[in-house]
Amino acid sequence: DTGVSQDPRHKITKRGQNVTFRCDPISEHNRLYWYRQTLGQGPEFLTYFQNEAQLEKSRLLSDRFSAERPKGSFSTLEIQRTEQGDSAMYLCASSSARWGQETQYFGPGTRLLVL
Amino acid sequence: AQSVAQPEDQVNVAEGNPLTVKCTYSVSGNPYLFWYVQYPNRGLQFLLKYITGDNLVKGSYGFEAEFNKSQTSFHLKKPSALVSDSALYFCAVRLDTGRRALTFGSGTRLQVQP
Repeated sequence: DTGVSQDPRHKITKRGQNVTFRCDPISEHNRLYWYRQTLGQGPEFLTYFQNEAQLEKSRLLSDRFSAERPKGSFSTLEIQRTEQGDSAMYLCASSSARWGQETQYFGPGTRLLVL
Repeated sequence: AQSVAQPEDQVNVAEGNPLTVKCTYSVSGNPYLFWYVQYPNRGLQFLLKYITGDNLVKGSYGFEAEFNKSQTSFHLKKPSALVSDSALYFCAVRLDTGRRALTFGSGTRLQVQP
């Protein structure tokens, strides 16, 4: 399977705990994106990497959230001191930087439930 | 700022009939427009996009969409609906320059009845 993969697929945690999600993009895609989707809503952009550089960050990305892409391949999204409002589906997407290849391909998502 | 509106929460259509899912957008510049489909507990699957060129774009599974610049619309269409098309459909937009973040609409649930 050469699509975007995410791990874990599901995570249940208690309020106040830290969680970390991983995303592996399509190979040779140098752009990687994180989105959050709550029930009944469309995905909302969180952040974007080109190679290892984090080029865009949404105001939704509070200081409890941090994302990294240390070697320009996989990425991690960490949420510290989770709150019940963090419960959502966290989606990762990747795309190629070649002109005309603007499509973002999404992974299956990580569903987070904060109790 | 850019925004997307999907005015219908749900669209119901009988199998074999044509379907339309509406999308209007607002951007300050030239838009890149996308349609994605989401099945339960799954990520988003890409259907089609408009970047430039022909206003009628053909995509996966027999879907097509027409870019209308004067009406700032990008409606998704299919000539003959299948029960398996029942899913949640999202329209998304971004500018052709600058920020790469997609802005999504709130989604339209398509229900195709046998």
